Amino acid sequence: QKEVEQDPGPLSVPEGAIVSLNCTYSNSAFQYFMWYRQYSRKGPELLMYTYSSGNKEDGRFTAQVDKSSKYISLFIRDSQPSDSATYLCAMSARGNTPLVFGKGTRLSVIA
Amino acid sequence: KAGVTQTPRYLIKTRGQQVTLSCSPISGHRSVSWYQQTPGQGLQFLFEYFSETQRNKGNFPGRFSGRQFSNSRSEMNVSTLELGDSALYLCASRPGQGGYGYTFGSGTRLTVV
Repeated sequence: QKEVEQDPGPLSVPEGAIVSLNCTYSNSAFQYFMWYRQYSRKGPELLMYTYSSGNKEDGRFTAQVDKSSKYISLFIRDSQPSDSATYLCAMSARGNTPLVFGKGTRLSVIA
Repeated sequence: KAGVTQTPRYLIKTRGQQVTLSCSPISGHRSVSWYQQTPGQGLQFLFEYFSETQRNKGNFPGRFSGRQFSNSRSEMNVSTLELGDSALYLCASRPGQGGYGYTFGSGTRLTVV
């Protein structure tokens, strides 16, 4: 079993839809959780960062962490065609340990 | 401010050759990490350098090596290339060894034929 599991999709939604992206993990030591967005031919860019459990909101994006279930989510409200990208979850146990990434979910938002 | 710069953007090499990839971090960033991205395995951590010292190493064979210079620029080298080394190699920098302000470059696309 991989440390971080993420459904690769692809996921296709109409413009304006609410998108839910998820990852599960097996390492209970993970405390730092991130979501990255990667456009084609580009490197990943950090979208959201959460420490431990709880929710965090930034504009149209909400990140949730449920450590008891080892499950993290990213919600995108009012999705736009410009949100079409691959979304990667990443996590780490401590500040000086490497990030462990999910394989990414490819999202297409259709106008 | 300039982002993370990786050169070259694309490379085609033959099996058995070696290759060197370069990464210039954001000015002031002292930590540089390297990742390999493939469709099958996703992003996998190769190694991290901080102040010219390797601080963490992933589970890759010894053919993969790296170094960091005093100006924080980093290089990674892959010797005796195999077809399976074809991937996007990503470099990420951050100010120090802790914290999560990773900024990624656009990567070097390596194709081994």
